[in-house]
This record gives sequence, C-alpha cells and structure tokens, in this order.
Amino acid sequence: GESVGLHLPTLSVQEGDNSIINCAYSNSASDYFIWYKQESGKGPQFIIDIRSNMDKRQGQRVTVLLNKTVKHLSLQIAATQPGDSAVYFCAENRDRRALTFGSGTRLQVQP
Amino acid sequence: DTAVSQTPKYLVTQMGNDKSIKCEQNLGHDTMYWYKQDSKKFLKIMFSYNNKELIINETVPNRFSPKSPDKAHLNLHINSLELGDSAVYFCASSQGPGSASEAFFGQGTRLTVV
Repeated sequence: GESVGLHLPTLSVQEGDNSIINCAYSNSASDYFIWYKQESGKGPQFIIDIRSNMDKRQGQRVTVLLNKTVKHLSLQIAATQPGDSAVYFCAENRDRRALTFGSGTRLQVQP
Repeated sequence: DTAVSQTPKYLVTQMGNDKSIKCEQNLGHDTMYWYKQDSKKFLKIMFSYNNKELIINETVPNRFSPKSPDKAHLNLHINSLELGDSAVYFCASSQGPGSASEAFFGQGTRLTVV
C-alpha cells in the first residue's frame, strides 16, 4: 500500500506485504534527508538517511528513494512485520540548523 | 546506556506554575535541541544549542527558557504554564548543527497542564 504523509494519514497493510510511505519536502536546497520511526510512547528513532547526491539507498528491509525533480521522498519496507507498526516521519535539513520534520504517517500492520 | 535521557517522563501541573525538564546526552555531541510534538504528532523545533550557545530560537514564547550548563546538558524551563503548553517535549542531540547527520532523540516528556 501507499500513503502521502499529510495530517497523519494511516496506511494499513497486511503482514508480509510491502509498504510504501511517501513524503513531499519543501526546500530544493535541502541536501540531507532522514526517515524516523516513532513507536507509541517513545522518541523518534533513526531508520535510514540519504544525501541529495544519491537517488536510492538500501538498508535492512528498508529502501529510501529520493526524487529531487519533484521533491519527493519515499520509504519502502519489505515484508512488513507487526513490529513495524509506528508513525513514520521524513525530515530534511532545510536550513542547515536543525532537521525539519514532515507531518508523519501512521503504519498499521494487520496480522 | 541511554544516549539521550530526559526527565521527567510525565509531568502534570496546574496553569500558572513554573516547571523544568532536564536533558542529558552521553554521545559527546556538540549540538542539542528541544522539539515540541503536538496532539497531531507534528514535531516542531523550538531551540538549538551548539557548544552551549543558542543557535535556534523559533518563535517560542519567552516563557520558555533553555539553559545549557555544558554541552552535554540542555534543560528547558517554562514559566507561567498555559493549557496550550500541553504536548510532548523531546530533547535531541547531533554531531553538528542541523547538518548532515542524524539527530538522536530522548524518550520525551509528556506535559499536561490542567
């Protein structure tokens, strides 16, 4: 399934399916992007990052894609598991002073 | 070993009171931040300190005052608390200001003003 991260939408997927979470960023000058995962009652945790000189980066079960032309970032989670249920945020270093976060997408994994 | 720790985890207080939230990081980072997360989960930067110097102060009421006694600590003091201050406050740290490096977050302090 796919989702655009506005006003905390919810993406619901079946366990074992692939998930795609999308994010639109605002500043074409941003050169560093991160995906964070936030579980209930916890702080955001780093998942994966990508610099603007790349368009794809892979981690363990996760892939981040960056399309600078349309200022779009996506996070792909392969074989989604119940432990992946959380709110996911993209962040950019918009002004080089601190990370600016998107509005988040809630991922619900159905067993 | 907790990398970024903040206390307390929960804080319930009455309007008009003054309260503080403490944050410490043991990562040796130069930069620390306070973020506010509202009820819709939106995370917004409030303050940033680099080597004890304030580098970001984002349109936050002056009832909020950050204090950095050393680069491993960044505390947040809030005067005359208002209902609208209720939120989850996160402390974070990173190697450099803003920059091309990840920020590490604490577990958050849920502040409820009644």
